[in-house]
Amino acid sequence: EAQVTQNPRYLITVTGKKLTVTCSQNMNHEYMSWYRQDPGLGLRQIYYSMNVEVTDKGDVPEGYKVSRKEKRNFPLILESPSPNQTSLYFCASSSQWPGGNQPQHFGDGTRLSIL
Amino acid sequence: AQTVTQSQPEMSVQEAETVTLSCTYDTSESDYYLFWYKQPPSRQMILVIRQEAYKQQNATENRFSVNFQKAAKSFSLKISDSQLGDAAMYFCAAGTYNTDKLIFGTGTRLQVFP
Repeated sequence: EAQVTQNPRYLITVTGKKLTVTCSQNMNHEYMSWYRQDPGLGLRQIYYSMNVEVTDKGDVPEGYKVSRKEKRNFPLILESPSPNQTSLYFCASSSQWPGGNQPQHFGDGTRLSIL
Repeated sequence: AQTVTQSQPEMSVQEAETVTLSCTYDTSESDYYLFWYKQPPSRQMILVIRQEAYKQQNATENRFSVNFQKAAKSFSLKISDSQLGDAAMYFCAAGTYNTDKLIFGTGTRLQVFP
């Protein structure tokens, strides 16, 4: 089954404790992306990757890191989480750029709470 | 800069009736795609419908259709014969060839009453 898998689905942690949210896709997609969803703000892009070893900042990259060492994986790293990073996070992938004819496939989301 | 605006934070409709969700966008690009995504309480993001800007014909997917007004930069979603399962948050989104991102609106929460 074609899917984007995020883990964990829920995480409660404390300020400053490094965490990683994993994302894996099994569709051999070139493009992967991370979004955060906040009430009243919709989804905003954090980072994206056009291919292995190619990553770039989205609209809200501060406080986040990513890596793309393998095509299928695109982890999101919060080196020193803060309460303002409490949010719902989505990983997505697509075979080409996200505004094109091939739609993005989304993971099921990760609810992060930073105390 | 590319922007997407959804001016209706909440909408409601009675079962079997029709409802229209509004979306306007702003882009200087000539080639772009527009999307509507549905997010039910399960949090999944589900593609409902997409429209290529170069196509004049409005996209349709079963009970879902769009009214694409390119000159007005408007892209509304019409849901016909509304069902209880249509209750969700709906996001409008736009993407262009010259940017590597999809820009989302702030969402419209749709309630469906029996």
